[in-house]
Amino acid sequence: QVQLQESGPGLVKPSQTLSLTCTVSGASVSSGDYYWSWIRQPAGKGLEWIGRIYTSGSTHYNPSLKSRVTISLDTSKNQFSLKLSSVTAADTAVYYCAKNWNYLDSWGQGTQVTVSS
Amino acid sequence: DIVMTQSPDSLAVSLGERATINCKSSQSVLYSSNNKNYLAWYQQKPGQPPKLLIYWASTRESGVPDRFSGSGSGTDFTLTISSLQAEDVATYYCHQYYSTPLTFGGGTKVQI
Repeated sequence: QVQLQESGPGLVKPSQTLSLTCTVSGASVSSGDYYWSWIRQPAGKGLEWIGRIYTSGSTHYNPSLKSRVTISLDTSKNQFSLKLSSVTAADTAVYYCAKNWNYLDSWGQGTQVTVSS
Repeated sequence: DIVMTQSPDSLAVSLGERATINCKSSQSVLYSSNNKNYLAWYQQKPGQPPKLLIYWASTRESGVPDRFSGSGSGTDFTLTISSLQAEDVATYYCHQYYSTPLTFGGGTKVQI
């Protein structure tokens, strides 16, 4: 069974870069026919897909965030990461990582990130 | 982008009664080469991540009670809870994985 766990700072200052890591167990981030996705959810609101990375390293990003997003793999640690630059209060949300074979079939528990000075 | 529109935003159902949630996509999510609808349903309870209930529009995920069922094709889909239980109180989301950006419906809150 695949398990995912998000980690990273819970508080980020405006204009800085948000950095999160997802640690995967039960599957390899560098093999298999999977994508690894990031999704976020502001408090009381719906789900927004941020982007994904394939096991080969190729990426797809949401056009609404594309200019600020980088998703990468760390195969040595079996992790994948999210960087979101130039954050504002609108980026405050719970951030989830998920395994993505077509549909999103396994999710992490989520981590709250607040953007505030 | 494919826009997913759910209705209603919320509904109250008595225990043991049927709950029906609708989802409409702005374009078809039926892939003609394999005749599969790239549509999933998730259940989310407060403080928890979304839980996969249904994929390919009508295939129930392992372990999901059979009171949950999905139907529809093309652009119009339905999630039905045949006999609502107390533990089904949650927000439900439809999700298209036909094309990027992956998108979700706005959610339907189901209450007793």
